[in-house]
Amino acid sequence: DAGITQSPRYKITETGRQVTLMCHQTWSHSYMFWYRQDLGHGLRLIYYSAAADITDKGEVPDGYVVSRSKTENFPLTLESATRSQTSVYFCASSGVRQLDYGYTFGSGTRLTVV
Amino acid sequence: QKEVEQDPGPLSVPEGAIVSLNCTYSNSAFQYFMWYRQYSRKGPELLMYTYSSGNKEDGRFTAQVDKSSKYISLFIRDSQPSDSATYLCAMNRDDKIIFGKGTRLHILP
Repeated sequence: DAGITQSPRYKITETGRQVTLMCHQTWSHSYMFWYRQDLGHGLRLIYYSAAADITDKGEVPDGYVVSRSKTENFPLTLESATRSQTSVYFCASSGVRQLDYGYTFGSGTRLTVV
Repeated sequence: QKEVEQDPGPLSVPEGAIVSLNCTYSNSAFQYFMWYRQYSRKGPELLMYTYSSGNKEDGRFTAQVDKSSKYISLFIRDSQPSDSATYLCAMNRDDKIIFGKGTRLHILP
């Protein structure tokens, strides 16, 4: 199916565990983004990538690691999960032409750290 | 001062009413102004975007930008229960989009 898919949709993990959230897009978009969405804070950019093997920090990168070995995949890893990382995580992608105005978002991963 | 300010609501209006959603911003360098709609437990989706000042209309939706006042608005005419969602304003800076916190809108049947 065309689009942007995130997995898993829901995840519960324990403090200190490593967890990886997956993001896959089928449009060959150059740009991909990871956001977290929390009440009172809105959407905050964690990391983004302009192309395969090019990644950069966003507003709240601490405690997260990303990689992008293939254009279509952009996994987000929490190296040692903390309760403060309980959130809804959204992946987004954009082509170069739409970069100024048009991100396409996945349906999100709801992560709970206990 | 935050770059993008948006009243979180919730805003409840009766079906058929005109809805006005607003954002203010502080960075005069913003050029593209967007509205995203987010249904519960879904990702945001682009509703409309405007480049620079002026109005843009798409069906029941009108986006308005006033750069002199650093103020943007989204108007929804003949509101429907299916319009119930969170609406996020957004603006671009340095190849990244900055989002407002979103306004929750409830359209009452």
